[in-house]
Amino acid sequence: DSGVTQTPKHLITATGQRVTLRCSPRSGDLSVYWYQQSLDQGLQFLIQYYNGEERAKGNILERFSAQQFPDLHSELNLSSLELGDSALYFCASSVGLAGTILTDTQYFGPGTRLTVL
Amino acid sequence: DQQVKQNSPSLSVQEGRISILNCDYTNSMFDYFLWYKKYPAEGPTFLISISSIKDKNEDGRFTVFLNKSAKHLSLHIVPSQPGDSAVYFCAAQSGYALNFGKGTSLLVTP
Repeated sequence: DSGVTQTPKHLITATGQRVTLRCSPRSGDLSVYWYQQSLDQGLQFLIQYYNGEERAKGNILERFSAQQFPDLHSELNLSSLELGDSALYFCASSVGLAGTILTDTQYFGPGTRLTVL
Repeated sequence: DQQVKQNSPSLSVQEGRISILNCDYTNSMFDYFLWYKKYPAEGPTFLISISSIKDKNEDGRFTVFLNKSAKHLSLHIVPSQPGDSAVYFCAAQSGYALNFGKGTSLLVTP
């Protein structure tokens, strides 16, 4: 158990709909990261928040948005869903800012499996 | 554009023998490399890492080797155990994001 929790575990919805995925980081971690794992693309970095502020953006679509709240939990909002958005969405957390020589490790949650029909 | 490549989707090894998982990268700006292990229905779990200033890092049965000139790293597991059967992801860090390979599925047979 990494200490990172994600809800829900599974989500089935229809095209055009909007969903919200939730992540609670490990106790004490200030950074939250979102990744998408689809069948043909592997794990793709979407976005990072540090202590409530957006720090880095990866391959995140404009239809997707995220935020980190004062209690440090994070939500990933996916709107106007398309069939191709079906994937596993992982949240990870780390103590602080990554990218230093003594890089703090990212710990991953169990993921949310999104199926768009 | 895949900057981290794991060219072997799967690998089968007998228990007790060495497992060698390979990873290539294209971006010379990557300065930190990690291996994650993933079981079905779970998130990736951190296994071992190496900084670009080193060429080897060891942790128990797991050793990671880095060849910067070849932009290649490998994970050695000795001896391999059935519980090591999982998908192994190589990741490279530049800034805040981890760039993952597509994974190698390792099967360790008794």
